[in-house]
Amino acid sequence: AQSVTQPDIHITVSEGASLELRCNYSYGATPYLFWYVQSPGQGLQLLLKYFSGDTLVQGIKGFEAEFKRSQSSFNLRKPSVHWSDAAEYFCAVGAGADSWGKLQFGAGTQVVVTP
Amino acid sequence: GAGVSQSPRYKVTKRGQDVALRCDPISGHVSLYWYRQALGQGPEFLTYFNYEAQQDKSGLPNDRFSAERPEGSISTLTIQRTEQRDSAMYRCASSLSGNTIYFGEGSWLTVV
Repeated sequence: AQSVTQPDIHITVSEGASLELRCNYSYGATPYLFWYVQSPGQGLQLLLKYFSGDTLVQGIKGFEAEFKRSQSSFNLRKPSVHWSDAAEYFCAVGAGADSWGKLQFGAGTQVVVTP
Repeated sequence: GAGVSQSPRYKVTKRGQDVALRCDPISGHVSLYWYRQALGQGPEFLTYFNYEAQQDKSGLPNDRFSAERPEGSISTLTIQRTEQRDSAMYRCASSLSGNTIYFGEGSWLTVV
């Protein structure tokens, strides 16, 4: 069975500093990987996704993620965070081409941005 | 519509009552998904539809939970005889095809 682990429940980062959120997955085949962001009072918004090809994926809002098959990881990064990046971030793995939207989510990482 | 719309946004109900949560997907979207998200957890898949056909209901926790999408557009998630453990946010998402799904803002359910 597939699973997703986000080891960090909570991260505090200073505005302007770099951010890295960890995600490890367990999946028997080639994974379809996603990062979503949830801001207060908002729905889940897709930041980026990986299906195949280049293992470094660019997303919206200046985020990127790198797929490392050998480490079963898909970590999210941003070089310089803004106060508006304070939110909860979820990593997810997809079941595959026959059911794109059936996702297994991690428990999330809450990001706090300090001045 | 412009986005996935869910109603009600907030619902407080007494234990034992039935509740119905509605999802209006983005116009023309073929697939519709229901998720449940408890406090401090990530969303958990419940069920999904392609058009009006329920393709997968493996995530529905028990037979008190049901969903329908009779005309292939609006969907209703119904919880019968609610229990306190049903308290959560219920999220709906839709997709046209391919690999991106769009989530609504969710419906908060509190069972007292």
